[in-house]
Amino acid sequence: ETGVTQTPRHLVMGMTNKKSLKCEQHLGHNAMYWYKQSAKKPLELMFVYSLEERVENNSVPSRFSPECPNSSHLFLHLHTLQPEDSALYLCASSQDSRGTEAFFGQGTRLTVV
Amino acid sequence: ILNVEQSPQSLHVQEGDSTNFTCSFPSSNFYALHWYRWETAKSPEALFVMTLNGDEKKKGRISATLNTKEGYSYLYIKGSQPEDSATYLCASPNYGGSQGNLIFGKGTKLSVKP
Repeated sequence: ETGVTQTPRHLVMGMTNKKSLKCEQHLGHNAMYWYKQSAKKPLELMFVYSLEERVENNSVPSRFSPECPNSSHLFLHLHTLQPEDSALYLCASSQDSRGTEAFFGQGTRLTVV
Repeated sequence: ILNVEQSPQSLHVQEGDSTNFTCSFPSSNFYALHWYRWETAKSPEALFVMTLNGDEKKKGRISATLNTKEGYSYLYIKGSQPEDSATYLCASPNYGGSQGNLIFGKGTKLSVKP
């Protein structure tokens, strides 16, 4: 138990669907992240929130839309995804956004059909 | 953009063998080097966060060293056990502006056979 919880664990969605991934942390951290893990690629940073403000968006397509309503919750809204977006999506949190130790959720395995 | 490289990509050892793998990173503007262990169906978990050149950290049978001048870190596992089977990731913060977001290597997948 890392203190970071993601739901759902698995998601299958069609290309015209809209769905959301949820992440919650109980560690009192100020920074939260979305990472994408595709086959044979390193973990890719998608979004960073620090103190509930988005500080980085690594050129992620607009079909991925993050939301951070408070420092404990992070969402990733998905719409009109493509099959190549199928991947493991990991949420993480850290004390701050200056490279401190990251605590990860177990991830959501997303399949786009 | 920071480039973090890990080798080998995968490793198969017998129970009881000792093993090690490498993480390399740019030595300029170094801030920290993280090692994570990622077991199948679980979350990546931090093993070590290292900041000083010559640092050596140990957790049970696992240890890590850091050379910031030449830009590499080694992770050692002594007397590997099947439960050590996992992917080992290293990461280093990439500083753009005031933010230091972790950039990960592809990982080394270790399989320990009983």
